[in-house]
Amino acid sequence: ETGVTQSPTHLIKTRGQQVTLRCSSQSGHNTVSWYQQALGQGPQFIFQYYREEENGRGNFPPRFSGLQFPNYSSELNVNALELDDSALYLCASSLWGNEQFFGPGTRLTVL
Amino acid sequence: AQSVSQHNHHVILSEAASLELGCNYSYGGTVNLFWYVQYPGQHLQLLLKYFSGDPLVKGIKGFEAEFIKSKFSFNLRKPSVQWSDTAEYFCAVMIYNTDKLIFGTGTRLQVFP
Repeated sequence: ETGVTQSPTHLIKTRGQQVTLRCSSQSGHNTVSWYQQALGQGPQFIFQYYREEENGRGNFPPRFSGLQFPNYSSELNVNALELDDSALYLCASSLWGNEQFFGPGTRLTVL
Repeated sequence: AQSVSQHNHHVILSEAASLELGCNYSYGGTVNLFWYVQYPGQHLQLLLKYFSGDPLVKGIKGFEAEFIKSKFSFNLRKPSVQWSDTAEYFCAVMIYNTDKLIFGTGTRLQVFP
């Protein structure tokens, strides 16, 4: 157990819809990173939030957006869902520059 | 672009066999290095990490890894595997001062009794 929680566990959406995934970071951590893990692949960095500001972004389009709240919890929003967005979405919390602790993930299926 | 290569995609071993999983990265500057493990039905967990100092690092459950800077490698080893080591193993690199993890594609390890 890392103390990082994510909700929901599973989600099914259709193409074109919007989705919001949530993450509660471990107590004392100020950084949240989001990753996408497609089947059979390693996690791919989406973006990171540090003290409520976006602090780095991977190769993902603007329809992937996020927020970090004063309590350091975070949301990942995906607009205009595409079939290829089907994946496990992982949230990781850390003190910036240190090891990242991962949550259990949200499995998103887009039909 | 920086990348991480794990050459062994699927490894099958018998209990008590020795394990070595390869990991190479492409970046010429300072890096922090990690191995994560994902047991069936569980979340990613940190096995071990290298930030600086002794290039031979020891992690949990008897695992160790050696950072060889000249070879851009960070191979994972265990002298004697157990059935409970069955899992997916991911090597990851953090470019110094970026806090962004770059993962390899993972190695699926199956250990048979």
